[in-house]
Amino acid sequence: LAKTTQPISMDSYEGQEVNITCSHNNIATNDYITWYQQFPSQGPRFIIQGYKTKVTNEVASLFIPADRKSSTLSLPRVSLSDTAVYYCLVGDRADHFNKFYFGSGTKLNVKP
Amino acid sequence: GAVVSQHPSWVICKSGTSVKIECRSLDFQATTMFWYRQFPKQSLMLMATSNEGSKATYEQGVEKDKFLINHASLTLSTLTVTSAHPEDSSFYICSATGGAIGIFNEQFFGPGTRLTVL
Repeated sequence: LAKTTQPISMDSYEGQEVNITCSHNNIATNDYITWYQQFPSQGPRFIIQGYKTKVTNEVASLFIPADRKSSTLSLPRVSLSDTAVYYCLVGDRADHFNKFYFGSGTKLNVKP
Repeated sequence: GAVVSQHPSWVICKSGTSVKIECRSLDFQATTMFWYRQFPKQSLMLMATSNEGSKATYEQGVEKDKFLINHASLTLSTLTVTSAHPEDSSFYICSATGGAIGIFNEQFFGPGTRLTVL
């Protein structure tokens, strides 16, 4: 069973900042939070990963509160090409048998 | 990042035939590979976990005799859909991970294989 809950869909406009929140109430001590992006008929693509506080890379930021029961993916100034499904996953980064159970994901629709 | 390829990218077959899908890690050694299935407008569903040199571990509800998985080397895993039927039509995606325990084991996903069974 998926360990995460996300909104099914979100709408945004080009140039806006988009924040997608994921709930993972039963996250374990060793679990990390990973976000993937998927376009239609393609495999998922890694966006960002974090354990706590804030992580930023060239495409996104990830905010994780102290209790780690939720996380927020922030996409700055989205464009039409950011229209995709975004998945939040939790798993033990140190376990190379770590499995990902995908939840519903969030379908982000960016409008012009 | 690391690259994972799948072959073929799409395949159409007749009902009752078997289809083999290859998953290759091109620039790293994959200790573990995963196979997923995705139906239209649905999320990815984990089918099985494949470790090099050992039998695959199947998720509950996945028929191991129908979906044969072989992970013969650190760069290749194959999924064979035996006696395929129209309900097996789906998008099959593999992912691969490598490295020792304690190192970031990101899953690198392949581009997927679209299977259509007539």
